[in-house]
Amino acid sequence: TQLLEQSPQFLSIQEGENLTVYCNSSSVFSSLQWYRQEPGEGPVLLVTVVTGGEVKKLKRLTFQFGDARKDSSLHITAAQPGDTGLYLCAGSNNFGNEKLTFGTGTRLTIIP
Amino acid sequence: DADVTQTPRNRITKTGKRIMLECSQTKGHDRMYWYRQDPGLGLRLIYYSFDVKDINKGEISDGYSVSRQAQAKFSLSLESAIPNQTALYFCATSPAPGVGGVETQYFGPGTRLLVL
Repeated sequence: TQLLEQSPQFLSIQEGENLTVYCNSSSVFSSLQWYRQEPGEGPVLLVTVVTGGEVKKLKRLTFQFGDARKDSSLHITAAQPGDTGLYLCAGSNNFGNEKLTFGTGTRLTIIP
Repeated sequence: DADVTQTPRNRITKTGKRIMLECSQTKGHDRMYWYRQDPGLGLRLIYYSFDVKDINKGEISDGYSVSRQAQAKFSLSLESAIPNQTALYFCATSPAPGVGGVETQYFGPGTRLLVL
C-alpha cells in the first residue's frame, strides 16, 4: 500500500505570514495533486504536477513535485483568511486504471 | 445545481440498522467512488466503479456494499451499522483519463453519519 504522510497535521498562523506544508512518501508517483477542502464541502482540486522537479504557481500558492516524484510541497505566501481549510495531497500511478491515494491532510487556520 | 449530490447530508442511526447513502451526478462521468474521512486519516477508498457493471473493492470495504444503478447513481449501504463507521462519507466522480493522462476527481458535499 502506498502511503502519503502530510506535515504538519495542524497549522495555525497569522494573516500575512508565509507557510509550507509537505507531502511525503516512500513510493514513487507518476503524478501528484493537491486538493483543498472547506468546512461542509468536498475537496476541490487545486493543481496537478506530473514531472519530477516541476513547480506550478497559483496566485500566492506555489506547488513543487520532488525530483524523485516521492514528495511534494505547497508554499503559501502572505496567507489570507480565505486560505483556511484542509489541504490534501493525492498521488497516482495512473496508467488508466489506478486510483488516487490521498494523504493524511494538513488543517490550516489563518488568523485575521 | 450541484454536479455531484449526496443524500442525506446528515444521518443519525443506531447500531445494527441498515442504511443507504445515495450519490447522483450530472457530469456524465463513468467513474464513481465512495470514500470515508476520519480525522488524521485523510480520505480512504471504500468502493469504486468504472462503469455501470463494474464494482471494485477499495482499501476498507468490509462492512459496506455498493450498487451502481445507472451511470449517474452510485449508492453505499451499511448492512448493519456499527459505531466505528461514524465518519464523513464522500462520493466522487471522474472522467476516464486519456492515455497517460491524470485523473481529476469531483467530490460531493459529503454525508455526516453518526452511529450510536
